[in-house]
This record gives sequence, structure tokens and C-alpha cells, in this order.
Amino acid sequence: GENVEQHPSTLSVQEGDSAVIKCTYSDSASNYFPWYKQELGKGPQLIIDIRSNVGEKKDQRIAVTLNKTAKHFSLHITETQPEDSAVYFCAASTNNAGNMLTFGGGTRLMVKP
Amino acid sequence: DAGVTQSPTHLIKTRGQQVTLRCSPISGHKSVSWYQQVLGQGPQFIFQYYEKEERGRGNFPDRFSARQFPNYSSELNVNALLLGDSALYLCASSLVDNEQFFGPGTRLTVL
Repeated sequence: GENVEQHPSTLSVQEGDSAVIKCTYSDSASNYFPWYKQELGKGPQLIIDIRSNVGEKKDQRIAVTLNKTAKHFSLHITETQPEDSAVYFCAASTNNAGNMLTFGGGTRLMVKP
Repeated sequence: DAGVTQSPTHLIKTRGQQVTLRCSPISGHKSVSWYQQVLGQGPQFIFQYYEKEERGRGNFPDRFSARQFPNYSSELNVNALLLGDSALYLCASSLVDNEQFFGPGTRLTVL
């Protein structure tokens, strides 16, 4: 089955700096790659996703890149703010419906004011 | 619009007992998935239901079962609880070909 590895497990940045989180996946049939933000005591919140026919997608301060050949994808957050502090999860799915997601282990992002 | 709702928010059970968790999807969403999230780890897929039929099952024992009702709400049942079943149980709903939206989860503690 699919295996998703996520790095780093923790990331500390100064407010205003950029943060990059990287994930690799094992199943070349995977074609849907969402990113979730989880705050303490809450469920994961979808922040951005990318499908296999696109190499990059951007939404304001957040961008995701996908390299299907190397089987890795990354989340980029620019101009970080304290409210960006949370745990971020990448995921992959072989189903374009986005169901049956396989998640990475998570990255705890801390943005210091 | 209301998001995905789950009940109860917290639950404490003892080993060997049975538990039922409930989920109401976003209005119009016909697919519901269940995930288990152990503390400090990413969610793990348990089940997916669409139009009351099971579409997918993760690597969980038969003690775990689920069903979906005509109004698309869903229940997750776990029998013969073990200490290792302690986790946050997440429900997610989606339209068939779109992103999944998660509820706040049910925190299950098994003593």
C-alpha cells in the first residue's frame, strides 16, 4: 500500500520567515495530494490540495509543488504569522475523489513572534 | 452552513466494552470516511461509505464496523475495546470527487 513520509517533524521559524514542509510517497498511482492544518483540540482543516496533472498551485501565502517523477511534494508558507502555528499533515490518495487518504506523520510548526 | 458534526466529543470506556460513535456529514455530501488518530501521529483510514455501501476498508480488525444511514449520517462501532483503541476518531465527508472535510473528532479513552 501507499506510504507517505513527512519531514521535518518539528519546524520553528521567526514571524515573517518562510516555512517549507516536504513529503514523499511510494505509490506512483497516487494522484491527489492534500495538505491539512490541525490546531489543538480540532479536526484537520484542508488548506490546499494539488492533483497529478498540475505541478504547482498557489493560494495567497500558501503554495504546493508536486514532482511526480521523484514522487515528492512540498508545502511552502511565506510571511509566516503566529496563527500559522499548528500541526500540518500531508496526504496522498490514488483515488481522485480524495478518499482513503494516507497521511504523513505530521510537522509541528511554531512561528515565534 | 454547518460543518461535519460528531458525537460525543469525549468518551471514557473500560477494556472489553463496546462503543458507538456518530457522524453527520455536511449537507449534500454522500460520502463519509472514518479515521483513527493516535496521539502524535497522522490519521489512519478505517472505512469509507458512499450511498450506504462500504467502498473501502483500512487495515483494522473486525472489531471495527460501520454503517451509513439513508440520511448519509454514519456510525462507527468498536467492540471488545483494547487500551490501544484510545485515540481521536475523525469523520470526514465529501462529495464523490472532491476534497474531504473533517469533523472535530471524538476523543475515546479506554481504561
